Amino acid sequence: GDSVTQMEGPVTLSEEAFLTINCTYTATGYPSLFWYVQYPGEGLQLLLKATKADDKGSNKGFEATYRKETTSFHLEKGSVQVSDSAVYFCALSESQGAQKLVFGQGTRLTINP
Amino acid sequence: DTGVSQNPRHKITKRGQNVTFRCDPISEHNRLYWYRQTLGQGPEFLTYFQNEAQLEKSRLLSDRFSAERPKGSFSTLEIQRTEQGDSAMYLCASSRTGGGNIQYFGAGTRLSVL
Repeated sequence: GDSVTQMEGPVTLSEEAFLTINCTYTATGYPSLFWYVQYPGEGLQLLLKATKADDKGSNKGFEATYRKETTSFHLEKGSVQVSDSAVYFCALSESQGAQKLVFGQGTRLTINP
Repeated sequence: DTGVSQNPRHKITKRGQNVTFRCDPISEHNRLYWYRQTLGQGPEFLTYFQNEAQLEKSRLLSDRFSAERPKGSFSTLEIQRTEQGDSAMYLCASSRTGGGNIQYFGAGTRLSVL
């Protein structure tokens, strides 16, 4: 079945550092890809999405590009802030049927001032 | 738009008891999902409703679990004869057809089975 693999956490960076969180997927069809974020004490929120190959999703300085040839959707940010500390989840959904989300295990990010 | 609401936020129960959780989706959303999240893991799909019809159930959903969505509005998830392995965060999400499958999540109900 479909699956998502994220880089192991936790990740700790200093403020203004460059961030990459790796995500690769396995899917039988042509899924849509998502990054969700969970801030401390809050529910999951959509951060960005991409629906087809070579699409780039972006939001709040974060970017991820749908790479079909490498089945990847890595999350990047050029300069992180303390407020970016959260758990980040990569996910996919098929374009038909229930369109349920299949999540990776999550990566906890801590940014130190 | 008041967001997805889940109640209760926390539930502590003894093994063998029945529990019921409620989810109120965003009002115009016809799709509703239940997920389960254990510590350190990503959410796992449990079941999906389109309007009042339950169209897909995960193999994770044993016979002790049942979900309903009467009239296509709020949904309930009931767990009968709870076991310690049922301890988890239960998440509800909603979306609308044609909305790019952007699912909006509630804050979840944390279940602890003693």
